[in-house]
Amino acid sequence: GEDVEQSLFLSVREGDSSVINCTYTDSSSTYLYWYKQEPGAGLQLLTYIFSNMDMKQDQRLTVLLNKKDKHLSLRIADTQTGDSAIYFCAETLYSGAGSYQLTFGKGTKLSVIP
Amino acid sequence: EAGVTQFPSHSVIEKGQTVTLRCDPISGHDNLYWYRRVMGKEIKFLLHFVKESKQDESGMPNNRFLAERTGGTYSTLKVQPAELEDSGVYFCASSHGRGSYGYTFGSGTRLTVV
Repeated sequence: GEDVEQSLFLSVREGDSSVINCTYTDSSSTYLYWYKQEPGAGLQLLTYIFSNMDMKQDQRLTVLLNKKDKHLSLRIADTQTGDSAIYFCAETLYSGAGSYQLTFGKGTKLSVIP
Repeated sequence: EAGVTQFPSHSVIEKGQTVTLRCDPISGHDNLYWYRRVMGKEIKFLLHFVKESKQDESGMPNNRFLAERTGGTYSTLKVQPAELEDSGVYFCASSHGRGSYGYTFGSGTRLTVV
Protein backbone atom coordinates (compact mmCIF):
# COMPACT_ATOMS: atom_id res chain seq x y z
CA GLY A 1 0.00 0.00 0.00
CA GLU A 2 0.95 3.65 -0.16
CA ASP A 3 -0.22 4.80 3.26
CA VAL A 4 2.02 6.12 5.99
CA GLU A 5 0.24 5.22 9.20
CA GLN A 6 0.28 7.03 12.50
CA SER A 7 -2.11 7.32 15.39
CA LEU A 8 -4.31 10.41 15.30
CA PHE A 9 -4.21 11.58 18.90
CA LEU A 10 -1.85 11.53 21.87
CA SER A 11 -2.34 13.20 25.22
CA VAL A 12 0.44 13.52 27.79
CA ARG A 13 1.10 15.45 30.98
CA GLU A 14 3.60 18.25 31.01
CA GLY A 15 7.02 16.94 31.96
CA ASP A 16 6.34 13.39 30.76
CA SER A 17 7.79 11.88 27.61
CA SER A 18 5.76 11.66 24.42
CA VAL A 19 6.23 8.89 21.89
CA ILE A 20 4.67 9.21 18.45
CA ASN A 21 4.82 6.15 16.24
CA CYS A 22 4.67 5.78 12.48
CA THR A 23 4.87 2.97 9.96
CA TYR A 24 5.95 3.77 6.45
CA THR A 25 5.77 1.89 3.21
CA ASP A 26 8.85 2.13 1.05
CA SER A 27 12.00 0.37 2.22
CA SER A 28 14.00 2.40 -0.29
CA SER A 29 13.12 5.74 1.32
CA THR A 30 16.40 7.53 1.91
CA TYR A 31 15.21 10.14 4.36
CA LEU A 32 12.40 9.97 6.86
CA TYR A 33 11.06 13.08 8.46
CA TRP A 34 9.07 14.46 11.31
CA TYR A 35 7.25 17.71 10.65
CA LYS A 36 5.45 19.83 13.22
CA GLN A 37 2.44 22.01 12.52
CA GLU A 38 1.36 24.48 15.17
CA PRO A 39 -2.09 26.06 14.92
CA GLY A 40 -2.26 28.53 12.04
CA ALA A 41 1.30 27.84 10.99
CA GLY A 42 2.97 25.93 8.19
CA LEU A 43 4.87 22.69 8.28
CA GLN A 44 8.09 23.00 10.20
CA LEU A 45 10.79 20.39 9.71
CA LEU A 46 11.43 19.08 13.19
CA THR A 47 13.99 16.42 12.54
CA TYR A 48 14.94 13.76 10.04
CA ILE A 49 16.84 10.51 9.93
CA PHE A 50 18.81 8.98 7.13
CA SER A 51 17.85 5.42 6.33
CA ASN A 52 21.21 3.91 7.30
CA MET A 53 20.82 5.15 10.87
CA ASP A 54 19.00 3.47 13.75
CA MET A 55 18.76 6.44 16.04
CA LYS A 56 19.21 10.15 16.03
CA GLN A 57 19.13 12.41 19.06
CA ASP A 58 18.72 16.16 18.98
CA GLN A 59 18.26 17.81 22.37
CA ARG A 60 14.84 16.66 23.64
CA LEU A 61 14.05 14.74 20.46
CA THR A 62 14.99 11.13 19.79
CA VAL A 63 14.15 9.42 16.52
CA LEU A 64 14.27 5.64 16.31
CA LEU A 65 14.20 3.79 13.01
CA ASN A 66 13.50 0.09 12.56
CA LYS A 67 13.99 -0.56 8.88
CA LYS A 68 13.03 -4.20 9.08
CA ASP A 69 9.59 -3.33 10.41
CA LYS A 70 9.43 0.04 8.58
CA HIS A 71 8.73 1.69 11.90
CA LEU A 72 9.70 5.20 12.87
CA SER A 73 9.16 6.84 16.22
CA LEU A 74 9.64 10.27 17.69
CA ARG A 75 10.23 10.67 21.40
CA ILE A 76 9.95 14.07 23.01
CA ALA A 77 11.49 14.21 26.45
CA ASP A 78 10.15 16.55 29.14
CA THR A 79 7.15 17.50 27.02
CA GLN A 80 6.11 21.13 27.35
CA THR A 81 2.84 22.89 26.56
CA GLY A 82 4.59 24.52 23.60
CA ASP A 83 4.98 21.06 22.09
CA SER A 84 1.23 20.87 21.54
CA ALA A 85 0.85 20.57 17.77
CA ILE A 86 0.21 18.10 14.98
CA TYR A 87 3.19 15.90 14.15
CA PHE A 88 3.50 14.43 10.68
CA CYS A 89 5.65 11.50 9.74
CA ALA A 90 6.86 11.59 6.12
CA GLU A 91 8.88 9.40 3.82
CA THR A 92 10.61 10.19 0.58
CA LEU A 93 9.40 8.51 -2.57
CA TYR A 94 10.97 8.83 -5.97
CA SER A 95 8.20 9.43 -8.46
CA GLY A 96 10.06 8.14 -11.47
CA ALA A 97 9.64 11.51 -13.14
CA GLY A 98 12.77 13.10 -11.74
CA SER A 99 10.99 14.19 -8.62
CA TYR A 100 11.28 13.22 -4.98
CA GLN A 101 7.95 13.51 -3.23
CA LEU A 102 7.11 13.46 0.41
CA THR A 103 4.42 11.03 1.46
CA PHE A 104 2.84 12.03 4.73
CA GLY A 105 0.83 10.33 7.40
CA LYS A 106 -2.42 11.88 8.60
CA GLY A 107 -0.70 13.50 11.54
CA THR A 108 -0.78 12.90 15.28
CA LYS A 109 -2.32 15.65 17.36
CA LEU A 110 -0.30 15.95 20.56
CA SER A 111 -2.09 17.59 23.47
CA VAL A 112 -0.03 18.48 26.52
CA ILE A 113 -1.92 18.75 29.79
CA PRO A 114 -0.45 21.31 32.21
CA GLU B 1 16.27 34.99 4.51
CA ALA B 2 12.56 35.35 3.84
CA GLY B 3 10.62 32.11 3.96
CA VAL B 4 8.08 30.69 1.57
CA THR B 5 5.13 33.05 1.37
CA GLN B 6 1.64 32.02 0.43
CA PHE B 7 -1.45 34.10 -0.03
CA PRO B 8 -4.18 34.43 0.65
CA SER B 9 -3.98 32.68 3.98
CA HIS B 10 -7.71 31.94 3.81
CA SER B 11 -10.21 31.91 0.99
CA VAL B 12 -13.91 31.15 1.06
CA ILE B 13 -15.59 30.80 -2.31
CA GLU B 14 -18.78 29.38 -3.68
CA LYS B 15 -18.92 26.20 -5.66
CA GLY B 16 -18.36 26.94 -9.32
CA GLN B 17 -16.20 30.01 -8.73
CA THR B 18 -12.54 30.38 -9.55
CA VAL B 19 -9.76 30.82 -7.02
CA THR B 20 -6.07 31.51 -7.57
CA LEU B 21 -3.51 30.73 -4.91
CA ARG B 22 -0.07 32.23 -4.99
CA CYS B 23 3.26 31.04 -3.68
CA ASP B 24 6.50 32.99 -3.48
CA PRO B 25 9.41 30.60 -2.89
CA ILE B 26 12.66 31.38 -1.19
CA SER B 27 14.77 33.46 -3.54
CA GLY B 28 17.12 31.29 -5.55
CA HIS B 29 15.20 28.07 -5.01
CA ASP B 30 14.67 26.46 -8.39
CA ASN B 31 12.38 23.74 -7.04
CA LEU B 32 8.83 24.56 -6.07
CA TYR B 33 6.20 22.09 -4.90
CA TRP B 34 2.50 22.16 -4.24
CA TYR B 35 0.87 19.85 -1.72
CA ARG B 36 -2.61 19.84 -0.24
CA ARG B 37 -4.36 18.40 2.76
CA VAL B 38 -8.02 17.68 2.28
CA MET B 39 -9.85 17.60 5.60
CA GLY B 40 -9.00 14.59 7.71
CA LYS B 41 -6.74 13.11 5.08
CA GLU B 42 -3.03 12.98 4.41
CA ILE B 43 -1.01 15.78 2.92
CA LYS B 44 -0.70 14.82 -0.75
CA PHE B 45 1.75 15.86 -3.42
CA LEU B 46 0.29 17.82 -6.33
CA LEU B 47 3.20 18.87 -8.51
CA HIS B 48 6.81 19.91 -8.76
CA PHE B 49 8.35 22.74 -10.76
CA VAL B 50 11.99 23.07 -11.66
CA LYS B 51 12.34 26.70 -12.53
CA GLU B 52 9.43 27.35 -14.90
CA SER B 53 9.03 23.76 -16.08
CA LYS B 54 6.68 21.17 -14.64
CA GLN B 55 8.91 18.29 -13.60
CA ASP B 56 6.15 16.12 -12.19
CA GLU B 57 2.43 16.82 -12.13
CA SER B 58 1.32 13.31 -11.32
CA GLY B 59 -0.54 14.42 -8.20
CA MET B 60 -2.83 16.95 -9.85
CA PRO B 61 -6.35 15.63 -9.23
CA ASN B 62 -8.02 16.72 -12.47
CA ASN B 63 -8.02 19.36 -15.18
CA ARG B 64 -9.81 21.89 -13.00
CA PHE B 65 -6.41 22.56 -11.44
CA LEU B 66 -3.86 24.64 -13.33
CA ALA B 67 -0.45 25.52 -11.96
CA GLU B 68 1.95 27.99 -13.50
CA ARG B 69 5.34 29.36 -12.68
CA THR B 70 6.08 32.01 -15.24
CA GLY B 71 9.67 33.20 -15.18
CA GLY B 72 10.62 30.58 -12.65
CA THR B 73 9.84 32.79 -9.67
CA TYR B 74 6.44 32.76 -7.98
CA SER B 75 3.81 30.16 -8.78
CA THR B 76 0.04 30.24 -8.99
CA LEU B 77 -2.42 27.42 -8.57
CA LYS B 78 -5.81 28.07 -10.08
CA VAL B 79 -8.90 26.02 -9.36
CA GLN B 80 -11.65 26.51 -11.92
CA PRO B 81 -14.45 25.74 -11.30
CA ALA B 82 -14.08 24.95 -7.62
CA GLU B 83 -15.94 21.99 -6.14
CA LEU B 84 -16.79 21.20 -2.53
CA GLU B 85 -14.18 18.44 -2.37
CA ASP B 86 -11.43 20.96 -3.16
CA SER B 87 -11.70 22.38 0.35
CA GLY B 88 -8.55 21.95 2.36
CA VAL B 89 -5.17 23.46 3.03
CA TYR B 90 -2.82 24.02 0.10
CA PHE B 91 0.87 24.07 0.96
CA CYS B 92 3.71 25.30 -1.14
CA ALA B 93 7.33 24.37 -0.54
CA SER B 94 10.61 25.24 -2.18
CA SER B 95 14.08 23.80 -2.14
CA HIS B 96 17.45 24.42 -3.68
CA GLY B 97 18.05 20.80 -4.71
CA ARG B 98 15.64 18.22 -6.10
CA GLY B 99 15.75 15.86 -3.17
CA SER B 100 13.23 16.06 -0.39
CA TYR B 101 15.85 17.16 2.09
CA GLY B 102 15.85 20.91 2.43
CA TYR B 103 12.21 21.58 1.73
CA THR B 104 10.86 24.76 3.31
CA PHE B 105 7.10 24.94 3.54
CA GLY B 106 4.87 27.97 3.55
CA SER B 107 2.06 28.49 6.04
CA GLY B 108 -0.54 27.27 3.60
CA THR B 109 -3.76 28.63 2.13
CA ARG B 110 -6.94 27.34 3.72
CA LEU B 111 -9.53 27.03 0.96
CA THR B 112 -13.18 26.57 1.82
CA VAL B 113 -15.64 25.91 -0.96
CA VAL B 114 -19.29 26.37 0.07
